[in-house]
Amino acid sequence: SAVISQKPSRDICQRGTSLTIQCQVDSQVTMMFWYRQQPGQSLTLIATANQGSEATYESGFVIDKFPISRPNLTFSTLTVSNMSPEDSSIYLCSVQTGTWGETQYFGPGTRLLVL
Amino acid sequence: AQTVTQSQPEMSVQEAETVTLSCTYDTSESDYYLFWYKQPPSRQMILVIRQEAYKQQNATENRFSVNFQKAAKSFSLKISDSQLGDAAMYFCAYRSLTQGGSEKLVFGKGMKLTVNP
Repeated sequence: SAVISQKPSRDICQRGTSLTIQCQVDSQVTMMFWYRQQPGQSLTLIATANQGSEATYESGFVIDKFPISRPNLTFSTLTVSNMSPEDSSIYLCSVQTGTWGETQYFGPGTRLLVL
Repeated sequence: AQTVTQSQPEMSVQEAETVTLSCTYDTSESDYYLFWYKQPPSRQMILVIRQEAYKQQNATENRFSVNFQKAAKSFSLKISDSQLGDAAMYFCAYRSLTQGGSEKLVFGKGMKLTVNP
């Protein structure tokens, strides 16, 4: 298994500002994923982050709005830029573990409210 | 594109009884993983159980077991001896195993399970 921590756990932000969310894993992992869960909704993948390469974004998500860093095999950050109330969501970091990456775990999430 | 459907938005069960949560999916791939995740009010996503599509044997984890019907593209979760702590949102998810396929999890809309004492 993997132990994943995220900071901050929650935040309230003003529109137009940016917030950087940190994700730390207790073991080295190749791929890290950032998901968003809007209120009352399911989870949607924002992007996949591999160490040493640019993040790959899903349709509807762009790097200017959600820049991602992946400086090493245990850490990643997601920034939510120029926030609007529509960005109010839970943001979750996720990793694959196991010999074949067969298991996928999630961090505790960052609950963001934009006013 | 793959899709995952959880047709029942809510269910309830009496404590100590058994409940089955349904999930169907659509894919043209033959190799994939299926997952059930539990999300309690804390919003933590907790892995409940995983099934590899190439395995005929249904996965089991303590009180949780699945009924995997590959031809029918059905993946239901059975919770035995339900406990109050089982109350949560449950999400079914699909992940491709096909070479060159997406590594992302495709989630259903979730189902809220209530456990009555």
